Amino acid sequence: DTEVTQTPKHLVMGMTNKKSLKCEQHMGHRAMYWYKQKAKKPPELMFVYSYEKLSINESVPSRFSPECPNSSLLNLHLHALQPEDSALYLCASSQGDRNYGYTFGSGTRLTVV
Amino acid sequence: SQKIEQNSEALNIQEGKTATLTCNYTNYSPAYLQWYRQDPGRGPVFLLLIRENEKEKRKERLKVTFDTTLKQSLFHITASQPADSATYLCALDYRTGANNLFFGTGTRLTVIP
Repeated sequence: DTEVTQTPKHLVMGMTNKKSLKCEQHMGHRAMYWYKQKAKKPPELMFVYSYEKLSINESVPSRFSPECPNSSLLNLHLHALQPEDSALYLCASSQGDRNYGYTFGSGTRLTVV
Repeated sequence: SQKIEQNSEALNIQEGKTATLTCNYTNYSPAYLQWYRQDPGRGPVFLLLIRENEKEKRKERLKVTFDTTLKQSLFHITASQPADSATYLCALDYRTGANNLFFGTGTRLTVIP
């Protein structure tokens, strides 16, 4: 298995809702990432988990809460989002060795109404 | 702060020609530089990685160069095909404690049949 799987592919949520994005990989990668991408912009890093520990939090608002239950799974819990949070949320994984690239999922297209 | 700019937002090229995309950065050089392809609504796909002590890397019709003096990387696609039409992103990896990629602004390549 050489893929990163993200669910759901599309999500519409209200500003008072709580939802979760899920990401799974079975490549044995020890680093996992959440990126946010707005239209016609490059991906922006949100969180990095290395060996299941949060190692980077790029000053993301607390309405986004990451979780890494095990080395294969990564969740992003969403609560009280704003319309400006609408974006493509990308999960990625890597071996943790800088000599290799990242493997990205197809993303979750999130719309906050 | 570090800026990563790709030469143009959009590039049109005739099928069969060589496409050349540019990635320029300011300030300090990364230890590693990566190139990704991204199709609309999908996650980036890793193409090539080049290290700071390497001048050139090749993979099939793709070639990447890295000039730390000019603070620039060039990405070439030879014998371009309509299927090469996509957005291409450069990404810089600095030798810091945790894994982190900083993405350039992207170039949308269109190969015209």
